[in-house]
Amino acid sequence: QQQVKQSPQSLIVQKGGISIINCAYENTAFDYFPWYQQFPGKGPALLIAIRPDVSEKKEGRFTISFNKSAKQFSLHIMDSQPGDSATYFCAARRRIQGAQKLVFGQGTRLTINP
Amino acid sequence: NAGVTQTPKFQVLKTGQSMTLQCAQDMNHEYMSWYRQDPGMGLRLIHYSVGAGITDQGEVPNGYNVSRSTTEDFPLRLLSAAPSQTSVYFCASSSAGMRVGEQYFGPGTRLTVT
Repeated sequence: QQQVKQSPQSLIVQKGGISIINCAYENTAFDYFPWYQQFPGKGPALLIAIRPDVSEKKEGRFTISFNKSAKQFSLHIMDSQPGDSATYFCAARRRIQGAQKLVFGQGTRLTINP
Repeated sequence: NAGVTQTPKFQVLKTGQSMTLQCAQDMNHEYMSWYRQDPGMGLRLIHYSVGAGITDQGEVPNGYNVSRSTTEDFPLRLLSAAPSQTSVYFCASSSAGMRVGEQYFGPGTRLTVT
Protein backbone atom coordinates (compact mmCIF):
# COMPACT_ATOMS: atom_id res chain seq x y z
CA GLN A 1 0.00 0.00 0.00
CA GLN A 2 1.07 3.57 -0.60
CA GLN A 3 1.95 5.00 2.81
CA VAL A 4 2.28 8.53 1.48
CA LYS A 5 -0.31 9.70 -1.05
CA GLN A 6 0.56 12.64 -3.28
CA SER A 7 -1.63 14.73 -5.56
CA PRO A 8 -1.97 15.87 -8.24
CA GLN A 9 0.01 13.61 -10.57
CA SER A 10 0.63 16.50 -12.91
CA LEU A 11 0.19 20.25 -12.63
CA ILE A 12 0.45 23.11 -15.10
CA VAL A 13 0.86 26.65 -13.74
CA GLN A 14 1.43 29.97 -15.45
CA LYS A 15 4.65 31.85 -14.76
CA GLY A 16 4.22 33.97 -11.64
CA GLY A 17 1.44 31.80 -10.25
CA ILE A 18 1.33 29.64 -7.13
CA SER A 19 1.98 25.90 -7.43
CA ILE A 20 0.48 23.70 -4.72
CA ILE A 21 1.22 20.00 -4.23
CA ASN A 22 -0.45 17.98 -1.49
CA CYS A 23 0.53 14.88 0.47
CA ALA A 24 -1.22 12.77 3.10
CA TYR A 25 0.08 10.02 5.35
CA GLU A 26 -1.32 7.50 7.82
CA ASN A 27 1.61 6.31 9.93
CA THR A 28 2.09 8.49 13.01
CA ALA A 29 5.61 7.04 13.44
CA PHE A 30 6.85 9.33 10.66
CA ASP A 31 8.93 12.08 12.23
CA TYR A 32 10.32 14.15 9.37
CA PHE A 33 8.86 15.24 6.05
CA PRO A 34 11.22 16.28 3.22
CA TRP A 35 10.39 17.36 -0.32
CA TYR A 36 12.64 16.36 -3.20
CA GLN A 37 12.96 18.00 -6.62
CA GLN A 38 13.99 15.99 -9.68
CA PHE A 39 14.95 17.32 -13.09
CA PRO A 40 14.84 15.02 -16.15
CA GLY A 41 17.77 12.62 -16.27
CA LYS A 42 18.92 13.51 -12.77
CA GLY A 43 18.56 12.05 -9.31
CA PRO A 44 16.23 13.69 -6.78
CA ALA A 45 17.68 16.46 -4.62
CA LEU A 46 16.42 17.70 -1.25
CA LEU A 47 14.45 20.93 -1.61
CA ILE A 48 13.00 21.68 1.81
CA ALA A 49 11.93 19.68 4.87
CA ILE A 50 9.83 20.09 8.01
CA ARG A 51 9.39 18.45 11.42
CA PRO A 52 5.85 17.64 12.63
CA ASP A 53 6.07 20.07 15.56
CA VAL A 54 6.21 23.00 13.13
CA SER A 55 3.18 24.15 11.12
CA GLU A 56 5.03 26.03 8.41
CA LYS A 57 8.53 26.38 7.02
CA LYS A 58 9.57 28.84 4.36
CA GLU A 59 12.75 28.94 2.28
CA GLY A 60 12.71 31.59 -0.40
CA ARG A 61 9.77 30.95 -2.72
CA PHE A 62 9.16 27.48 -1.28
CA THR A 63 6.89 26.89 1.72
CA ILE A 64 5.79 23.70 3.45
CA SER A 65 2.51 23.79 5.35
CA PHE A 66 1.99 20.97 7.84
CA ASN A 67 -1.26 19.88 9.50
CA LYS A 68 -0.45 17.23 12.09
CA SER A 69 -4.04 16.51 13.13
CA ALA A 70 -5.12 15.95 9.52
CA LYS A 71 -1.88 14.10 8.68
CA GLN A 72 -1.41 16.25 5.64
CA PHE A 73 1.35 18.50 4.33
CA SER A 74 1.76 20.57 1.22
CA LEU A 75 4.39 22.37 -0.84
CA HIS A 76 3.66 25.88 -2.10
CA ILE A 77 5.84 27.46 -4.76
CA MET A 78 5.24 31.20 -4.94
CA ASP A 79 5.95 33.23 -8.09
CA SER A 80 6.51 29.98 -10.02
CA GLN A 81 9.20 30.17 -12.70
CA PRO A 82 9.91 28.02 -15.79
CA GLY A 83 13.06 26.78 -14.03
CA ASP A 84 10.81 25.22 -11.38
CA SER A 85 9.49 22.77 -13.97
CA ALA A 86 10.45 19.38 -12.53
CA THR A 87 9.02 16.37 -10.74
CA TYR A 88 8.44 16.87 -7.03
CA PHE A 89 8.27 14.09 -4.46
CA CYS A 90 7.07 14.38 -0.90
CA ALA A 91 8.48 11.88 1.56
CA ALA A 92 8.14 10.79 5.16
CA ARG A 93 10.88 9.44 7.35
CA ARG A 94 10.83 6.93 10.13
CA ARG A 95 13.67 5.57 12.19
CA ILE A 96 13.92 1.80 12.45
CA GLN A 97 16.75 0.28 14.49
CA GLY A 98 19.08 3.19 13.86
CA ALA A 99 18.32 3.44 10.15
CA GLN A 100 16.46 6.29 8.49
CA LYS A 101 13.92 4.99 6.01
CA LEU A 102 12.17 7.32 3.60
CA VAL A 103 8.78 6.56 2.09
CA PHE A 104 8.05 8.58 -1.03
CA GLY A 105 4.84 9.82 -2.57
CA GLN A 106 4.02 9.04 -6.20
CA GLY A 107 5.45 12.29 -7.54
CA THR A 108 3.99 15.38 -9.24
CA ARG A 109 5.19 16.55 -12.63
CA LEU A 110 5.07 20.35 -12.53
CA THR A 111 5.16 22.43 -15.69
CA ILE A 112 5.44 26.20 -15.51
CA ASN A 113 4.31 27.89 -18.71
CA PRO A 114 6.18 31.09 -19.64
CA ASN B 1 33.94 15.40 -4.21
CA ALA B 2 32.25 13.33 -6.88
CA GLY B 3 29.30 12.68 -4.53
CA VAL B 4 27.32 9.54 -5.39
CA THR B 5 28.30 7.85 -8.65
CA GLN B 6 26.47 5.06 -10.43
CA THR B 7 27.47 2.84 -13.33
CA PRO B 8 26.31 2.03 -15.91
CA LYS B 9 23.96 4.86 -16.96
CA PHE B 10 21.99 2.57 -19.28
CA GLN B 11 21.71 -1.20 -19.53
CA VAL B 12 19.65 -3.64 -21.56
CA LEU B 13 19.36 -7.21 -20.32
CA LYS B 14 17.61 -10.30 -21.56
CA THR B 15 15.28 -12.16 -19.23
CA GLY B 16 17.27 -14.49 -17.00
CA GLN B 17 20.56 -12.63 -17.23
CA SER B 18 22.29 -11.35 -14.11
CA MET B 19 24.18 -8.13 -13.58
CA THR B 20 25.51 -5.78 -10.92
CA LEU B 21 24.68 -2.08 -10.67
CA GLN B 22 27.55 -0.22 -9.11
CA CYS B 23 27.26 2.61 -6.57
CA ALA B 24 30.03 4.51 -4.84
CA GLN B 25 30.16 7.58 -2.61
CA ASP B 26 33.14 9.60 -1.47
CA MET B 27 31.50 11.47 1.42
CA ASN B 28 32.15 8.85 4.12
CA HIS B 29 28.40 8.42 4.66
CA GLU B 30 27.21 5.61 6.90
CA TYR B 31 23.82 5.08 5.24
CA MET B 32 23.40 3.89 1.68
CA SER B 33 20.20 2.86 -0.05
CA TRP B 34 18.90 1.57 -3.36
CA TYR B 35 15.58 2.74 -4.80
CA ARG B 36 13.70 1.99 -7.97
CA GLN B 37 11.59 4.62 -9.69
CA ASP B 38 8.58 3.63 -11.76
CA PRO B 39 5.95 5.94 -13.30
CA GLY B 40 3.18 6.72 -10.84
CA MET B 41 4.90 4.77 -8.04
CA GLY B 42 7.42 7.27 -6.74
CA LEU B 43 10.65 5.85 -5.38
CA ARG B 44 10.53 2.53 -3.59
CA LEU B 45 13.25 1.28 -1.27
CA ILE B 46 14.88 -1.98 -2.35
CA HIS B 47 17.68 -2.51 0.18
CA TYR B 48 19.62 -0.30 2.54
CA SER B 49 22.75 -0.39 4.68
CA VAL B 50 23.60 1.44 7.90
CA GLY B 51 27.32 0.65 7.63
CA ALA B 52 29.91 -1.72 6.26
CA GLY B 53 28.83 -5.32 6.77
CA ILE B 54 25.21 -4.42 7.64
CA THR B 55 22.36 -4.58 5.14
CA ASP B 56 18.60 -4.95 5.37
CA GLN B 57 15.56 -5.22 3.11
CA GLY B 58 13.31 -2.39 2.06
CA GLU B 59 9.82 -2.46 0.51
CA VAL B 60 10.63 -4.36 -2.69
CA PRO B 61 13.68 -6.60 -2.12
CA ASN B 62 12.68 -9.68 -4.13
CA GLY B 63 15.04 -10.47 -7.00
CA TYR B 64 17.82 -8.24 -5.69
CA ASN B 65 20.88 -8.82 -3.50
CA VAL B 66 23.23 -6.34 -1.88
CA SER B 67 26.44 -6.38 0.12
CA ARG B 68 28.46 -3.66 1.82
CA SER B 69 32.09 -4.62 2.26
CA THR B 70 33.37 -1.02 2.40
CA THR B 71 31.90 2.32 3.46
CA GLU B 72 32.23 3.64 -0.09
CA ASP B 73 30.60 0.93 -2.21
CA PHE B 74 27.11 -0.57 -2.25
CA PRO B 75 26.49 -2.74 -5.34
CA LEU B 76 23.04 -4.03 -6.28
CA ARG B 77 22.86 -7.46 -7.91
CA LEU B 78 20.02 -8.66 -10.10
CA LEU B 79 20.11 -12.43 -9.83
CA SER B 80 17.89 -13.39 -12.78
CA ALA B 81 16.48 -10.36 -14.57
CA ALA B 82 12.75 -10.19 -15.27
CA PRO B 83 10.78 -7.65 -17.37
CA SER B 84 9.18 -6.41 -14.10
CA GLN B 85 12.62 -5.13 -13.11
CA THR B 86 12.64 -2.63 -15.97
CA SER B 87 13.01 0.63 -14.08
CA VAL B 88 15.32 3.50 -13.18
CA TYR B 89 17.51 2.64 -10.21
CA PHE B 90 18.88 5.23 -7.82
CA CYS B 91 21.51 4.85 -5.16
CA ALA B 92 21.51 7.31 -2.26
CA SER B 93 23.67 8.02 0.76
CA SER B 94 23.38 10.02 3.95
CA SER B 95 25.16 10.57 7.21
CA ALA B 96 23.83 10.32 10.73
CA GLY B 97 25.34 13.74 11.38
CA MET B 98 23.61 15.41 8.43
CA ARG B 99 20.40 17.36 8.23
CA VAL B 100 17.76 14.83 9.14
CA GLY B 101 16.03 13.16 6.21
CA GLU B 102 18.52 14.41 3.63
CA GLN B 103 19.82 11.85 1.22
CA TYR B 104 22.20 12.46 -1.67
CA PHE B 105 21.11 10.63 -4.81
CA GLY B 106 23.21 9.40 -7.70
CA PRO B 107 22.28 10.13 -11.35
CA GLY B 108 20.52 6.79 -11.81
CA THR B 109 20.80 3.69 -13.98
CA ARG B 110 18.09 3.08 -16.57
CA LEU B 111 17.59 -0.67 -16.92
CA THR B 112 15.51 -2.38 -19.58
CA VAL B 113 14.83 -6.12 -19.39
CA THR B 114 13.51 -7.69 -22.61
